[in-house]
Amino acid sequence: KAGVTQTPRYLIKTRGQQVTLSCSPISGHRSVSWYQQTPGQGLQFLFEYFSETQRNKGNFPGRFSGRQFSNSRSEMNVSTLELGDSALYLCASSLESGGGTDTQYFGPGTRLTVL
Amino acid sequence: KQEVTQIPAALSVPEGENLVLNCSFTDSAIYNLQWFRQDPGKGLTSLLLIQSSQREQTSGRLNASLDKSSGRSTLYIAASQPGDSATYLCAVNGQAGTALIFGKGTTLSVSS
Repeated sequence: KAGVTQTPRYLIKTRGQQVTLSCSPISGHRSVSWYQQTPGQGLQFLFEYFSETQRNKGNFPGRFSGRQFSNSRSEMNVSTLELGDSALYLCASSLESGGGTDTQYFGPGTRLTVL
Repeated sequence: KQEVTQIPAALSVPEGENLVLNCSFTDSAIYNLQWFRQDPGKGLTSLLLIQSSQREQTSGRLNASLDKSSGRSTLYIAASQPGDSATYLCAVNGQAGTALIFGKGTTLSVSS
């Protein structure tokens, strides 16, 4: 069974631009969560989607948004990029819930660099 | 607000040694606790998931315990190998939602 895939793996943008990251969950998984990882803050929860609906949201500004499609694939968008948005963005999928009793399986991440 | 702390931040051991990684959390109301491994520049690999009703889980040379009342978990690695070198992350899933709250991790280096 294929794992969680994320595209692109690396991205370089300049301040003020916007970016879209993509995540394909494990087949049959309906929940997709997004996390930001930085050296200073560690791993922080961005949001979770389940059945095309945002079910949970972390403490990030509105510049960070996402969506989920009917095939459970998810995209994350960051508008008006800032230098501080440089990070590894990780996507995780789970069978039914974003946590609860289910193991979350993580993708390899997208490394975003903002210049 | 749930906070997760991992001590030590870094650990170096010779091959073959048994070791314990520690994780503590401030709010005992959790659904589960999960241990992950992260290799440099890579994503996270799930190692063990302990439900709130369980006391421990084992997988191969790994054993994780959970003491909800004291807000602690330990990851025991037996007979460490150089391939175990990585950052180990502890995360809890709280009652308030489905988001995992992570510690900052323990970076383990096993020398041959």
